[in-house]
Amino acid sequence: DTGVSQNPRHKITKRGQNVTFRCDPISEHNRLYWYRQTLGQGPEFLTYFQNEAQLEKSRLLSDRFSAERPKGSFSTLEIQRTEQGDSAMYLCASSSTGSKLGYTFGSGTRLTVV
Amino acid sequence: AQSVSQHNHHVILSEAASLELGCNYSYGGTVNLFWYVQYPGQHLQLLLKYFSGDPLVKGIKGFEAEFIKSKFSFNLRKPSVQWSDTAEYFCAVTGNKLVFGSGTILRVKS
Repeated sequence: DTGVSQNPRHKITKRGQNVTFRCDPISEHNRLYWYRQTLGQGPEFLTYFQNEAQLEKSRLLSDRFSAERPKGSFSTLEIQRTEQGDSAMYLCASSSTGSKLGYTFGSGTRLTVV
Repeated sequence: AQSVSQHNHHVILSEAASLELGCNYSYGGTVNLFWYVQYPGQHLQLLLKYFSGDPLVKGIKGFEAEFIKSKFSFNLRKPSVQWSDTAEYFCAVTGNKLVFGSGTILRVKS
C-alpha cells in the first residue's frame, strides 16, 4: 500500500452533468477526508469519515454534493448537476485516529466544468 | 472553529537567502500544527509538525518551525534556500480536522 490513491486524475465535464470521484485511502487508516482546492487558495475542508460514518460536513458542501464510504474503506464523492464554479482540484486524505503522523494526501482529481 | 492566516502570498528569494514564512492560527483548544509543501505538479507533502514538547521542530530538507504559544504563531524557517525549494507552502492546524491557510508561493531564483 503506497499511499492514498485518487481516480480519475482529471475529469472534464459539461455543465449539468454528474461526476463521481473515488478515493482509496491507506488501508490501516480509519479516517478519510475530502478537500477542495482552487487556484491561489489553500485546501478547503468538505467532509470527513471515521470508518463508514460521515462525522462532519462543511457548509461548502451543497446539496449537489454527496460523499459515501460504504464499507469504511474507499470513498466516493459525487457532484450532481455540475456548475462552472465546481471546477477545482478535489483532494482526499486519510489518517488514523490519534495518530501523530498527520494526514496523507492523494494527488487529487482535477475537475473542469465547461 | 480554527483558522489559519499566512501573511505572505508570494515570496521571491535568491539562492542561499534565508527564509521565514509567517503563520498565525486561531483555535481555542489544544493545537497540532503542520507545514505542508506542494511542489509544482505534485501532491501535498508533510514538511514538519508540532504536537507537544520542544517548540522548535525540525522537518525535512533543512526546514524548521517555531511554535510560539503567546503569539499564536508557527513560522517556518530555512537558513539557506535552494532553487529546488520553489513550491507552495501551507500552514495548517488541527482541531478535529485539518484547516489550511491560503498558502505562500515561494520562488527561488538561481
